[in-house]
Amino acid sequence: NAGVMQNPRHLVRRRGQEARLRCSPVKGHSHVYWYRQLPEEGLKFMVYLQKENIIDESGMPKERFSAEFPKEGPSILRIQQVVRGDSAAYFCASSPLRGSQETQYFGPGTRLLVL
Amino acid sequence: SQQGEEDPQALSIQEGENATMNCSYKTSINNLQWYRQNSGRGLVHLILIRSNEREKHSGRLRVTLDTSKKSSSLLITASRAADTASYFCATDETGANNLFFGTGTRLTVIP
Repeated sequence: NAGVMQNPRHLVRRRGQEARLRCSPVKGHSHVYWYRQLPEEGLKFMVYLQKENIIDESGMPKERFSAEFPKEGPSILRIQQVVRGDSAAYFCASSPLRGSQETQYFGPGTRLLVL
Repeated sequence: SQQGEEDPQALSIQEGENATMNCSYKTSINNLQWYRQNSGRGLVHLILIRSNEREKHSGRLRVTLDTSKKSSSLLITASRAADTASYFCATDETGANNLFFGTGTRLTVIP
């Protein structure tokens, strides 16, 4: 069984560029969550998606950040015009049901460094 | 919504000793989960305890939950050097769609 896959594992961008982070959930899981982790801190929720729908984006900045989970293909977290403060580890998690009823399975993360 | 708070922030013990980490939270929850994170890696799910459970065991792990005190503890018995990692509690709050993570306890097990 393949777990949650994220790529790239490491991403370096210059200020102003775009960052695209991809997440393939566990096969059969239709719920995807994105979290951000700053150094020495816990994970902070960003967005929760089901196939083709954003269910809760209350933790995601309104500007420059967007997320999608298309019918086919991985979930994408996109950060436009990156700034140094976007440097962090971004984790994706998936579950077969809404997170309150099931364990969330985490991917290895994408570490974004903005120069 | 409130994150969990772990204490201590850092813990250093000798191999073979037991390690206890605590987590406190502020709201009503459906369940509480503990995760481990090795440095620079993703999170590994350790154990989930539901709000109507008081204690749960998994191998060398023992988790307790006291909903009246809004607190949980994770006990690792007979620790090993490989247990060195950060440990996070995460609460699933009633009505929320996501998990709320604490700031973590960094455990170092000295061989």
